[in-house]
Formats: sequence, C-alpha cells, structure tokens
Amino acid sequence: NAGVMQNPRHLVRRRGQEARLRCSPMKGHSHVYWYRQLPEEGLKFMVYLQKENIIDESGMPKERFSAEFPKEGPSILRIQQVVRGDSAAYFCASSPRGGERNTEAFFGQGTRLTVV
Amino acid sequence: QQQVKQSPQSLIVQKGGISIINCAYENTAFDYFPWYQQFPGKGPALLIAIRPDVSEKKEGRFTISFNKSAKQFSLHIMDSQPGDSATYFCAASYGGGYQKVTFGTGTKLQVIP
Repeated sequence: NAGVMQNPRHLVRRRGQEARLRCSPMKGHSHVYWYRQLPEEGLKFMVYLQKENIIDESGMPKERFSAEFPKEGPSILRIQQVVRGDSAAYFCASSPRGGERNTEAFFGQGTRLTVV
Repeated sequence: QQQVKQSPQSLIVQKGGISIINCAYENTAFDYFPWYQQFPGKGPALLIAIRPDVSEKKEGRFTISFNKSAKQFSLHIMDSQPGDSATYFCAASYGGGYQKVTFGTGTKLQVIP
C-alpha cells in the first residue's frame, strides 16, 4: 500500500506563473488535507477536502489559491500568479475518515515550491 | 486561542540523555494531542499521541506527559540516540480525531555522540 504521493517534489516558478501541486491519497482514503510550511516554522492548515467537496477552507488565502479533489484523480492545490511569499513546502495528508476518534492522517513528502 | 506554543526552538542532547520538549495550548476544546517527527526533506510522521483523559502515555523511549489544568504537555525522549535527530512538532486538534490540526512551531533536536 503506497503512501501519500505528492508531485512534483520540487517546483520552481517565476513570479506571475501558476503552480499546480498534486496529491494522491493513500488507497482507500477519501479525505485530504493541505498544509503549508514556511522555513523554520510549523505547518499551517490550509484546506480540508473530501471527494468532490471542500469541507473547510478557512486556512486558504482569499485570492489566488484554490483546491479540488475530484471524483477521479489526485487532489490539486493551485496557486495562480505566484509571488515570492508563496515559496514554501506544501504538504498533503490523507485519512480514511475525517474528524472521528482514532482517525489518523498520513503525510506525503511535500512539494517544495520556489518562486524566483 | 488556536495557538500551540512550543519550546525550546532547538535542543542539543548527548547520546543517552533525556530530551524534553514542552508545549502549551489555550483552546480548551482541543481533545487530541499528537507529536510528529520530521526529518529533513520528509513529511511529518506521527510519533505518539494522547487524549486529555490520560496524564501520561509511553511508547518505547517516547513518553507524553499531559497536564490538563495547566494546559501543558511535553514529550520526553529517553536514552536519546543520534537517529532521533530531527524536528519535533507538538500539535492539537478537536473533534476527536485528526481534522484540522494546529501545529507548534517545532523543536530541532540534535543528539550528539
């Protein structure tokens, strides 16, 4: 059973370009969470999705950021018109259920976005 | 009220010693307190977790101590080994499970031979 797969592992974008980060959850997992980690900081919650639904996007910046988790295929975190401040590691986690007791989530290895 | 404060920011411990990392929280609705271990270039991995109805939980060399009245919890790593060198994050969530975890700022642990 493969773990949470994120790609690409490293992504370099010029200011103003779009960044697309992909997350394939573990097999059997239908809940996905995206986190952002700035250098030397902890992870900050961005968004929580179930298949075809955004459950909680309270941590998402209001502009330029969007996320989806379609019925088929990976979850996508999309950042439009990237700026230098978007440079960070973006982690995806998946779980079989959300918000229930004894529900654990597993993290991918992250995508390191560098905006030049 | 959603913060989880973690200290120290960095820690150097000799091999065989005890590593202690402390965290404090404000939101009394938190009911799940996991600790994560992160190696460079990797994602966080769950190390050990505790719920507030328990004051201590031990798994191998790792122990969480929890003080509900003080809203504090700590991680003790006994007999620290160089392979334990990593960044450790305390975290908290509510709702009984994983959902929307609030992370501390991390402690970079270095265990020297």
